[in-house]
Amino acid sequence: DVKVTQSSRYLVKRTGEKVFLECVQDMDHENMFWYRQDPGLGLRLIYFSYDVKMKEKGDIPEGYSVSREKKERFSLILESASTNQTSMYLCASSLSGVFGDEQFFGPGTRLTVL
Amino acid sequence: AQSVTQPDIHITVSEGASLELRCNYSYGATPYLFWYVQSPGQGLQLLLKYFSGDTLVQGIKGFEAEFKRSQSSFNLRKPSVHWSDAAEYFCAVGARGSQGNLIFGKGTKLSVKP
Repeated sequence: DVKVTQSSRYLVKRTGEKVFLECVQDMDHENMFWYRQDPGLGLRLIYFSYDVKMKEKGDIPEGYSVSREKKERFSLILESASTNQTSMYLCASSLSGVFGDEQFFGPGTRLTVL
Repeated sequence: AQSVTQPDIHITVSEGASLELRCNYSYGATPYLFWYVQSPGQGLQLLLKYFSGDTLVQGIKGFEAEFKRSQSSFNLRKPSVHWSDAAEYFCAVGARGSQGNLIFGKGTKLSVKP
């Protein structure tokens, strides 16, 4: 079974802190994604990566950056956390595909910024 | 641009009743279509997917979905709902040239009455 793990299930940070969310997948998938999920807004794509050291902006990249130094690991970075970044963050991975392959999701990190 | 619409934000059904969750998509060619389920506080789990072939797709947990090109729909059905089916359901579409990206609907929350 594909496994996608996220470093924390719950995280509480203060405004202005630098926050790292880590995601690791164990199935040698090329693509990795970071979403945030808010009530009534569904899943919104923050960033994705289709190869090591490659990254592409999604729909809401402002205030976030990412890092992919190894194929299995994709990190989301909040450079200076703000209260409006309080949300559920979901990581996903998929095999390389032109038409959109099945994405496998981690359990999510619920981030609260005070 | 591709889009996915789930017209129902919240549906309540009685245990044992049938269920149909609606999904409409906008895409110029034949899309790849997915249904995911999310239990409270969890990540998303794939229920079923349609890539090509038979337009009636069987999934896990007794769910099925039917692709109707003329209606641009991919509705999810279950003949008899169980209390454990209470969750949020997301429809998603994969688009050509999207590097594995999926476009998600905003979700339908299902409540089950005893």
